[in-house]
Amino acid sequence: SQQGEEDPQALSIQEGENATMNCSYKTSINNLQWYRQNSGRGLVHLILIRSNEREKHSGRLRVTLDTSKKSSSLLITASRAADTASYFCATVYSGGYQKVTFGTGTKLQVIP
Amino acid sequence: DVKVTQSSRYLVKRTGEKVFLECVQDMDHENMFWYRQDPGLGLRLIYFSYDVKMKEKGDIPEGYSVSREKKERFSLILESASTNQTSMYLCASSPSRGDQPQHFGDGTRLSIL
Repeated sequence: SQQGEEDPQALSIQEGENATMNCSYKTSINNLQWYRQNSGRGLVHLILIRSNEREKHSGRLRVTLDTSKKSSSLLITASRAADTASYFCATVYSGGYQKVTFGTGTKLQVIP
Repeated sequence: DVKVTQSSRYLVKRTGEKVFLECVQDMDHENMFWYRQDPGLGLRLIYFSYDVKMKEKGDIPEGYSVSREKKERFSLILESASTNQTSMYLCASSPSRGDQPQHFGDGTRLSIL
């Protein structure tokens, strides 16, 4: 069953604006990951945040995690046309092996 | 640079055929995964493997089987292809530690006619 649910499903912004995507999940996690997918290609890992972390930065990306609300957000600052892609959150459970459950994704369009 | 290679980007097969999708990784990863991706449904896990000759069912294993005879290669088999298996298939690999990301291939877009 799907674990992560992204919101919104689609987002269209002007170049230079910030883009915020949200992810909610249902049960306890070990970590949460964000991936990006360009049209017709595979997924590329962006950032991983562990359950004991609240915020993480990587370049123009900022990820927050609120385990009490079971939610995460991905902020892309100063967006560029090249950021146009689909973005997925993935939740990872603790356990003997890594089981990753992906959400349905947010489709981001950045208009030049 | 890490690399996951899927044998075909596009594939067209007929109903009832036995279809093989191949995936090779060059990172010595223990874990390998097969997903299918459909519009509005995101990625759904078909099968995964955490060691050679080991396999575990994912969320939607029906109609599929897998083979992992060597660490670097993970094959997905459609025993008797059906039109509802038309989809994008993505292979991924990761180290055994649970806090490491997955690395994906570029996908195989499979059409069953």
